[in-house]
Amino acid sequence: QMQLVQSGPEVKKPGTSVKVSCKASEFTFSSGVQWLRQARGQRLEWIGWIVVGRGNTNYAQNFQERVSMTRDMSTNTVYMELNNLRPEDTAVYYCATVNRLGWSDPWGQGTLVTVSS
Amino acid sequence: EVVLTQSPGTLSLSPGERATLSCRASQSVSNYLAWYQQKPGQAPRLLIHDASNRATGIPARFSGSGSGTDFTLTISSLEPEDFAVYFCHQRSNSLTFGGGTKVEIK
Repeated sequence: QMQLVQSGPEVKKPGTSVKVSCKASEFTFSSGVQWLRQARGQRLEWIGWIVVGRGNTNYAQNFQERVSMTRDMSTNTVYMELNNLRPEDTAVYYCATVNRLGWSDPWGQGTLVTVSS
Repeated sequence: EVVLTQSPGTLSLSPGERATLSCRASQSVSNYLAWYQQKPGQAPRLLIHDASNRATGIPARFSGSGSGTDFTLTISSLEPEDFAVYFCHQRSNSLTFGGGTKVEIK
């Protein structure tokens, strides 16, 4: 089964940016990858998704002005960059592929991003 | 935004007992609802998709039911590895998640 491996934890200052990577064992041209986050004690929140082959994206309204999702097909890696970080962006960030039935499965192991001055 | 409300927040049961978890949507999501299991420090694992279909490799003790706004996840006989947090997720209207139900050992 496909596996997703995310980059390691990050500590950032407010106002800066973070770029999290998600490397897959394989992607197909039509693969979709979701990005989500979970702050401590909070429910999961959808950030957006990218279609790996075409590179087109769809961002949640709450993140549209601050997020960018890209991919590098030569390394089977997708990236999520979040700009103008705030302390409330502190969370575990997950990538997840969209399976053929349209559901997020499997997920990466998560990346803790801490935003603190 | 579709709000998913899960109940109870915590379920205290013993191995071998039956667990019944509820997820209610603020508006109809048809059958575009899934259930995930999450253990501490681990990524969520898909259990049930499209309200009642077990994902690949998921044991038969897990079952899902419901449509529209009311959904149920049932674990027929709890195994030690089933003690975890379960959350529901809809993709009918954008993507949202429930707040989770923690199934803990009594």
